[in-house]
Amino acid sequence: AQTVTQSQPEMSVQEAETVTLSCTYDTSESDYYLFWYKQPPSRQMILVIRQEAYKQQNATENRFSVNFQKAAKSFSLKISDSQLGDAAMYFCAYRRGSNFGNEKLTFGTGTRLTIIP
Amino acid sequence: DGGITQSPKYLFRKEGQNVTLSCEQNLNHDAMYWYRQDPGQGLRLIYYSQIVNDFQKGDIAEGYSVSREKKESFPLTVTSAQKNPTAFYLCASRRGRGTGELFFGEGSRLTVL
Repeated sequence: AQTVTQSQPEMSVQEAETVTLSCTYDTSESDYYLFWYKQPPSRQMILVIRQEAYKQQNATENRFSVNFQKAAKSFSLKISDSQLGDAAMYFCAYRRGSNFGNEKLTFGTGTRLTIIP
Repeated sequence: DGGITQSPKYLFRKEGQNVTLSCEQNLNHDAMYWYRQDPGQGLRLIYYSQIVNDFQKGDIAEGYSVSREKKESFPLTVTSAQKNPTAFYLCASRRGRGTGELFFGEGSRLTVL
């Protein structure tokens, strides 16, 4: 079974600085997708960024970027110029490729990010 | 605006009672999911449905039941057989194929008294 591990239960960063959240996953598949979701205090999950495993180029969305190391099965999230609104729980998630019938997402346990003003 | 609506946001239940959590989406998505969130455990999949009138058990289906009679609706019933039902429940939906990102509702907090 696929597993997703987030080894940092909590992280903090000074406002305007850069922070990296770690995620590793275990799979024997070659076709899959990886995601980072943000859960602010309102508790609604919001997609931050996605990465297709077949793409070598790291995904970027404004201040958010990933470091995708397929061989190492690592998928870290970098947040640049941290803002107070970035404070949230961040979840890493994995899904097998769409050729498979079972297409559920598997989530890590989350990292709580605190922004220090 | 398109989205996913979960109700109620907060629900209190006495032990031994069944309760049903509502989830409605107007995104025309094929697949719908129910996740349970507990502190320190992330999100765990309860049930999912990829098409109307069909659904599959997730990782923690015991004590729960679902139905998918309409594309837009995927209600979750927490039965009295669920030993520890107090939790935050999240409903999500996804387009048929593609990257498979999920769109989430705002969640329902169930407390058993």
